[in-house]
Amino acid sequence: DAGVTQSPTHLIKTRGQHVTLRCSPISGHKSVSWYQQVLGQGPQFIFQYYEKEERGRGNFPDRFSARQFPNYSSELNVNALLLGDSALYLCASSSPGQGIIEQYFGPGTRLTVT
Amino acid sequence: DQQVKQNSPSLSVQEGRISILNCDYTNSMFDYFLWYKKYPAEGPTFLISISSIKDKNEDGRFTVFLNKSAKHLSLHIVPSQPGDSAVYFCAASVIQGAQKLVFGQGTRLTINP
Repeated sequence: DAGVTQSPTHLIKTRGQHVTLRCSPISGHKSVSWYQQVLGQGPQFIFQYYEKEERGRGNFPDRFSARQFPNYSSELNVNALLLGDSALYLCASSSPGQGIIEQYFGPGTRLTVT
Repeated sequence: DQQVKQNSPSLSVQEGRISILNCDYTNSMFDYFLWYKKYPAEGPTFLISISSIKDKNEDGRFTVFLNKSAKHLSLHIVPSQPGDSAVYFCAASVIQGAQKLVFGQGTRLTINP
């Protein structure tokens, strides 16, 4: 079975630009969560979507937004990029409705803002 | 406020010996705990989890212990193998609601031959 997939793998953007990151969950998983990991720290929660509805939001500015599609894939959008947005962005899937509380992570998208 | 803390940034263990990684938490609402392993340039890989109604969970070489009164959990790896060298993160969650994972800062484990 395919795991969580994310695209692109790497991305370089300029301050002020906009970026869209994409994630496909494990087949059968209906929940997708997004995390930001900066060097030397653990991942920080950004959003969780379950059955296409936002279930939770972390302490991130409104420049960050996300959505989940009918096939349970998801996009994370970041507007007006700042240098501090440079990080590894991780997507994780789970299926809490089926008792799968553990979240399984994709390889991440490395975003560099210059 | 760091709700989940891993106070040891690094740990070095000899191959074949036991590795013990520690984690403390402050939020008594957490009721589910997980350990992840992370290699460079990869996403975290789920290792083992434990519900707050248990005090021990075992899966092969990996055992997680939970001490709710001390708000402390630990991961034991026995015997340690060179492939276990990675960064280990503990994470905590509340089962109901958004189920966001709150991660510690990570501990870099190095297994020496």
